[in-house]
Amino acid sequence: AQKVTQAQTEISVVEKEDVTLDCVYETRDTTYYLFWYKQPPSGELVFLIRRNSFDEQNEISGRYSWNFQKSTSSFNFTITASQVVDSAVYFCALSEGGSGNTGKLIFGQGTTLQVKP
Amino acid sequence: GAGVSQSPSNKVTEKGKDVELRCDPISGHTALYWYRQRLGQGLEFLIYFQGNSAPDKSGLPSDRFSAERTGESVSTLTIQRTQQEDSAVYLCASSLGTVEAFFGQGTRLTVV
Repeated sequence: AQKVTQAQTEISVVEKEDVTLDCVYETRDTTYYLFWYKQPPSGELVFLIRRNSFDEQNEISGRYSWNFQKSTSSFNFTITASQVVDSAVYFCALSEGGSGNTGKLIFGQGTTLQVKP
Repeated sequence: GAGVSQSPSNKVTEKGKDVELRCDPISGHTALYWYRQRLGQGLEFLIYFQGNSAPDKSGLPSDRFSAERTGESVSTLTIQRTQQEDSAVYLCASSLGTVEAFFGQGTRLTVV
């Protein structure tokens, strides 16, 4: 069965600190997709990144970076030089690929990040 | 509109009443999903539509929950005989199938 685990329930940092949000997944599929979404206090989920299982190259987008390691089934998310506006709940999600790909997402429980000024 | 639109944004209902939640997906998006998010929890998948058919209803928690979709347009999630445990935010998302899903702002349902 597919499962996503975000072991960190809440993280609190001071502005400008770096912070890493952990995500571990389980799937029997060889083709799958991994996602990160941000949910600010307004409630709407904001798409951050999509990565397929064949692309283990790490990605950087501004202050955000992602580390995908198939060997440990992890897809961790790092925010460099955090800002107060980064305060939100962050969700990691998994979607099966191949012929079974419907786009249906299995979400982790989320990590609440609080960045204090 | 440009994004996924859900209505109402908030709904308070009495236990035992029926409610209908509406989702307008992004125009042209063939796939539509309903999720439920209980307070402090992650998102639970409820149902998936491809066009107006629902090949995956595996997440509907009971037969009190049902959903319809008109073509590749509006979807309605209906909860009959609401219970207090149905209180949650109900989120709708749409996509072109295999790429990222775009979410609406959700309907916050409170059953009193």
